[in-house]
Amino acid sequence: EIVMTQSPATLSLSPGERATLSCRASQSISNTLAWYQQKPGQAPRLLIYGASTRATGIPARFSGSGSGTEFTLTISSLQSEDFAVYYCQQYKSRPLTFGGGSKVEIK
Amino acid sequence: EMQLVESGGGLVQPGGSLRLSCAASGFTFRNYAMAWVRQAPGMGLEWVSLISNSGDTTYFAGSVQGRFTISRDNSKNTLYVQMNSLSAEDSAIYYCAKMDGTDGSRDAFDVWGQGTVVTVSS
Repeated sequence: EIVMTQSPATLSLSPGERATLSCRASQSISNTLAWYQQKPGQAPRLLIYGASTRATGIPARFSGSGSGTEFTLTISSLQSEDFAVYYCQQYKSRPLTFGGGSKVEIK
Repeated sequence: EMQLVESGGGLVQPGGSLRLSCAASGFTFRNYAMAWVRQAPGMGLEWVSLISNSGDTTYFAGSVQGRFTISRDNSKNTLYVQMNSLSAEDSAIYYCAKMDGTDGSRDAFDVWGQGTVVTVSS
């Protein structure tokens, strides 16, 4: 099983600041990585797939990078609606696995 | 607009069974693999099962293997999961998710339902 590890667990930032979230895979997954955003009481929403491709309708302030075992989600300038929990997920092999999540909270 | 609507959740006793359904609309259901993902209270996301577009191929997480069955009816645009021998550890929100491919082998979850709550308790 591929273990996904996210850091930090919590990130406290102000609107307008840049957020950088990390995700590490226990073995190489090439670029088979997705990022999801989840707000309280809502279902997750796909942000990024293929490690760096934005899903339909996702603003350009969200960007993904990385390959192999190290990945990053960057939010260039936080908007009020971006404060949420973010999950990475690998789809290189089954079982499909998620990271434990990173919460971006208002400072 | 692509939409997934889950139903069938509720309170069930330990050892009991439950069948969840997921009605799909706004896309050609028979062309895509589908999956179930769950989230225990206050916890992260856990993939449960997936099924290919034709229904011929299914996969399960180890935690549910042998207890859960996934199926689909492409004539009704509906996904199912039959859950047997339930325990408290199965209590969660169960989300139905569309995968961006036919067999789920290299696909993200690109559309999610709002989820249905399953509570296993006596």
